[in-house]
Amino acid sequence: ELKVEQNPLFLSMQEGKNYTIYCNYSTTSDRLYWYRQDPGKSLESLFVLLSNGAVKQEGRLMASLDTKARLSTLHITAAVHDLSATYFCAVDRVEYRSQGAQKLVFGQGTRLTINP
Amino acid sequence: NAGVTQTPKFRILKIGQSMTLQCAQDMNHNYMYWYRQDPGMGLKLIYYSVGAGITDKGEVPNGYNVSRSTTEDFPLRLELAAPSQTSVYFCATSRDSIQETQYFGPGTRLLVL
Repeated sequence: ELKVEQNPLFLSMQEGKNYTIYCNYSTTSDRLYWYRQDPGKSLESLFVLLSNGAVKQEGRLMASLDTKARLSTLHITAAVHDLSATYFCAVDRVEYRSQGAQKLVFGQGTRLTINP
Repeated sequence: NAGVTQTPKFRILKIGQSMTLQCAQDMNHNYMYWYRQDPGMGLKLIYYSVGAGITDKGEVPNGYNVSRSTTEDFPLRLELAAPSQTSVYFCATSRDSIQETQYFGPGTRLLVL
């Protein structure tokens, strides 16, 4: 059974600081997705990581994937208040890929609060 | 384009009642998904569809049914609602390529009392 664990689950940080959110998963997969969710809202796609060593960057966020370690990281650089949200990683289940469907398993989410 | 729409936004059900959550998309995506999100948790896949007339179970299908008669619509049916089905339900779509991300609807908040 595929399990996805994020840490930390809660993170409070100051504006201008750097921090990293970790996403570990338990079985083989080479596809990992990061999403953002604002309170009471839907999920917004951030990054799609499709191979070992993949690195994607958008603004102050950078995501990477190490399939051998079964680990993805989401790094926040010089945090600003607008980045306050809950961040989810999700992993595709290799053993259930069929007909192109993505059967994602989500982590619990990391609730990030950035204080002025 | 509206993207992915869901109705209703919020509903209160009594135990044992039934209802249908509606999901519609105008993105011409073949793949559609239903998730539930319990408070403070990640999303869990209920059912998915790879095209009109083809559906399959996800991780937590018990208590739910789906149908897919058109590319655009993917309704989720709750029969005999139970308090354990209190949750926020999200519909999502993706294009044919498995490299694409999923696009989520705004969600339906369901309370079963």
